[in-house]
Amino acid sequence: EVQLLESGGALVQPGGSLRLSCAASGFTFSAYAITWVRQAPGKGLEWVSTISGSGGSTFYTDSVKGRFTISRDNSKNTLFLQMNSLRAVDTAVYYCAKGGNYVYNAMDVWGQGTTVTVSS
Amino acid sequence: QSVLTQPPSASGTPGQRVTISCSGSSSNIGSNTVNWYQQVPGTAPKLLIYDNNQRPSGVPDRFSGSKSGTSASLAISGLQSEDEADYYCAAWDDSLTGYVFGTGTKVTVL
Repeated sequence: EVQLLESGGALVQPGGSLRLSCAASGFTFSAYAITWVRQAPGKGLEWVSTISGSGGSTFYTDSVKGRFTISRDNSKNTLFLQMNSLRAVDTAVYYCAKGGNYVYNAMDVWGQGTTVTVSS
Repeated sequence: QSVLTQPPSASGTPGQRVTISCSGSSSNIGSNTVNWYQQVPGTAPKLLIYDNNQRPSGVPDRFSGSKSGTSASLAISGLQSEDEADYYCAAWDDSLTGYVFGTGTKVTVL
């Protein structure tokens, strides 16, 4: 069974840092792009970042460029999101989602999400 | 900010047909395929339609998608109570070099 399991969400102060992880199983991890999507309380879905299967290509939404870094360890079937200089507006549930062979493909499997709260 | 526009709500009685529109531009829907996601409140999103009109295994054929130019639509025929959820369209945007989601539509079964 294809599964994604996020972890690392926490309460953090503005300006702080956090590292999210997404453990994958049930598929050839290195063959697929993986995406982070977030959802602020009571709001819609927002794309955050995507990384290609090899890790050689990364893409970010403008509001996190320079603050967030997506990476992956294909030997450990794990995706990461390093979040620095966190702001209150980054408060959200963060989902990782499996894409296709190309970064623009649909996301067909989603994790259950991990909650990030940025507050003093 | 969402660059794909959807109506905030849609509703119907059981058995009715409901259609949700998604309006974009030449850099997203006009250039790439459209996907639709269903999200029951409190749960993770689920892929409902991919590549404009394809259903993943396990998705009932009551759900169908279409695309024309810079717009797309999702139709739910034979509406059922379990279809009550939020629905999002999405597509890759070549100008933003990123994925964009629609504003979301809440479907209520009356």
